[in-house]
Amino acid sequence: DGGITQSPKYLFRKEGQNVTLSCEQNLNHDAMYWYRQDPGQGLRLIYYSQIVNDFQKGDIAEGYSVSREKKESFPLTVTSAQKNPTAFYLCASNQIRVNTEAFFGQGTRLTVV
Amino acid sequence: GENVEQHPSTLSVQEGDSAVIKCTYSDSASNYFPWYKQELGKRPQLIIDIRSNVGEKKDQRIAVTLNKTAKHFSLHITETQPEDSAVYFCAATRQGAQKLVFGQGTRLTINP
Repeated sequence: DGGITQSPKYLFRKEGQNVTLSCEQNLNHDAMYWYRQDPGQGLRLIYYSQIVNDFQKGDIAEGYSVSREKKESFPLTVTSAQKNPTAFYLCASNQIRVNTEAFFGQGTRLTVV
Repeated sequence: GENVEQHPSTLSVQEGDSAVIKCTYSDSASNYFPWYKQELGKRPQLIIDIRSNVGEKKDQRIAVTLNKTAKHFSLHITETQPEDSAVYFCAATRQGAQKLVFGQGTRLTINP
């Protein structure tokens, strides 16, 4: 599975609730990313992190938060401030310093009910 | 920062014909250009990549060409098959860059 795992695969959330998506990698990659993908659309960058305890906003960070307390883990919280959270969320990692391929998790499909 | 434009957004070809997807990038310092394939409901996976020290790379029915002067690179799929139907993403980055930048994606449909 490329050494990067997302959980859960499917997630249902009630409006007004925060929810956290998990992403773990055992590839020793420094960089980790969160993307949002809507039906028929491309990959939109939410947040990324190059190093532990540091992360940067991507193109659509509003309504989301992340943490990077460990190199292996980069959880994404979808807050109640995100107006349209229903989407497919992909986590990825790579080694930017040496330009290696990015590995993706299997994705989490979040549905607001 | 880097900006990657990908065309076309959708492409439909007859089985057995060739398909070409093109990407342009803005940062002349970019030196790594991967291509990813995403089948329906699945994760994107690397299918081929090229570095700036070569102009072309081939792997069976797929090939990638790079024109550093014009800052564009292309994916070529020959003898297309139904299983080639997917969304394809190009990307560009350079050593020391903060992030990998993706194109908008191309939905390729192979018609039997």
